[in-house]
Amino acid sequence: KNQVEQSPQSLIILEGKNCTLQCNYTVSPFSNLRWYKQDTGRGPVSLTIMTFSENTKSNGRYTATLDADTKQSSLHITASQLSDSASYICVVSGYYGGSQGNLIFGKGTKLSVKP
Amino acid sequence: DSGVTQTPKHLITATGQRVTLRCSPRSGDLSVYWYQQSLDQGLQFLIQYYNGEERAKGNILERFSAQQFPDLHSELNLSSLELGDSALYFCASSVAREGGPDTQYFGPGTRLTVL
Repeated sequence: KNQVEQSPQSLIILEGKNCTLQCNYTVSPFSNLRWYKQDTGRGPVSLTIMTFSENTKSNGRYTATLDADTKQSSLHITASQLSDSASYICVVSGYYGGSQGNLIFGKGTKLSVKP
Repeated sequence: DSGVTQTPKHLITATGQRVTLRCSPRSGDLSVYWYQQSLDQGLQFLIQYYNGEERAKGNILERFSAQQFPDLHSELNLSSLELGDSALYFCASSVAREGGPDTQYFGPGTRLTVL
């Protein structure tokens, strides 16, 4: 069964600290993996997109890694800020011919950054 | 502001009723996607349209239908509403047809409450 599992479910860190969020998936075949940031009650915002040939991608203080062999991805946040408080969602896309295929969403990690 | 607009912002209706949610994509984007986000399920992909044609279907119920018009705006119709349909409904748009490694831009969402 195609699944995306994220850990931890929630995380509290102090402002200025680093943190790493995990995503494990069983989606096959694999097309791409995305990380989104979603503030409460708002639409998700794309942080990174990676295909199977990419193993790292950065967007400012956000760095995503992908290990397509072990089907694992991580999102590292450096020097956290209060505005990083949000849910971070891992999304994996399977490849089915010419269509988008099925998008499998993780349930997200809720990050709280405290002053 | 992602450039994707959704109306209405909030909708309260009764069970058994029918509602229509509207989405206008970013200028130049040909693909529109619909998602449902409920508290216990996380984000779920419903359906994708590209330039007026249906391209991919996810977990969309038979009571739900969508279409994309020649001006590229899209509508999601929900009928015979049930309490469990209460959720945030997001629309997203992107440029690419095949939904490959392209960025999807999400609208602010429509919060549907079924009483």
